[in-house]
Amino acid sequence: EVQLQQSGPEVGRPGSSVKISCKASGYTFTDYVMNWVKQSPGQGLEWIGWIDPEYGSTDYAEKFKKKATLTADTSSSTAYIQLSSLTSEDTATYFCARDSGSPYYVMDAWGQGASVTVSS
Amino acid sequence: IQLTQSPSLLSASVGDRVTLSCKGSQNINNYLAWYQQKLGEAPKLLIYKTNSLQTGIPSRFSGSGSGTDYTLTISSLHSEDLATYYCYQYNNGLTFGSGTKLEIK
Repeated sequence: EVQLQQSGPEVGRPGSSVKISCKASGYTFTDYVMNWVKQSPGQGLEWIGWIDPEYGSTDYAEKFKKKATLTADTSSSTAYIQLSSLTSEDTATYFCARDSGSPYYVMDAWGQGASVTVSS
Repeated sequence: IQLTQSPSLLSASVGDRVTLSCKGSQNINNYLAWYQQKLGEAPKLLIYKTNSLQTGIPSRFSGSGSGTDYTLTISSLHSEDLATYYCYQYNNGLTFGSGTKLEIK
């Protein structure tokens, strides 16, 4: 069974950084791209970017290029997202989601979400 | 590509046939999926490539469409279908619609 287990809630000060993890199990981690999706309170879903764990290659939505950094540790089958220069706009739940790959390229398995609260 | 979902809120009764709409700002070439998100949960994939039912999803869910216009249909609404539904295109970039919140009367 494919499972994505995310780290717990984070509280960050304005201007600081937080790092969220997503540990994958039940499949070969390097065979699938991992996406990250943001959901602000009461709002819809926004794609942040993806990482290919095998090669470390990444792609980001324009809006998040200076905000998010995606990394992956193949030895522990864990993907990470780091959010920098936190503001109140970054208060949200962040999901990791596996990409199904060819030929459909949809997000077919999701983590449970990790909440980030930016507060002084 | 921007996605516009309608209606934003839909109230229906158990047993009703329900239709949700998603319109793209450009041709999506059938690279359109639907997700269901229940309160406090992660989204769940229902439909991919316009009309392919994800494994384990009840057959009362179906998708259709082409070009810029797509539809998710629930043939007979169940109480557990209370959720927000998002369309998602992966033809040109990756974009979610703004969602349709489905309420049970």
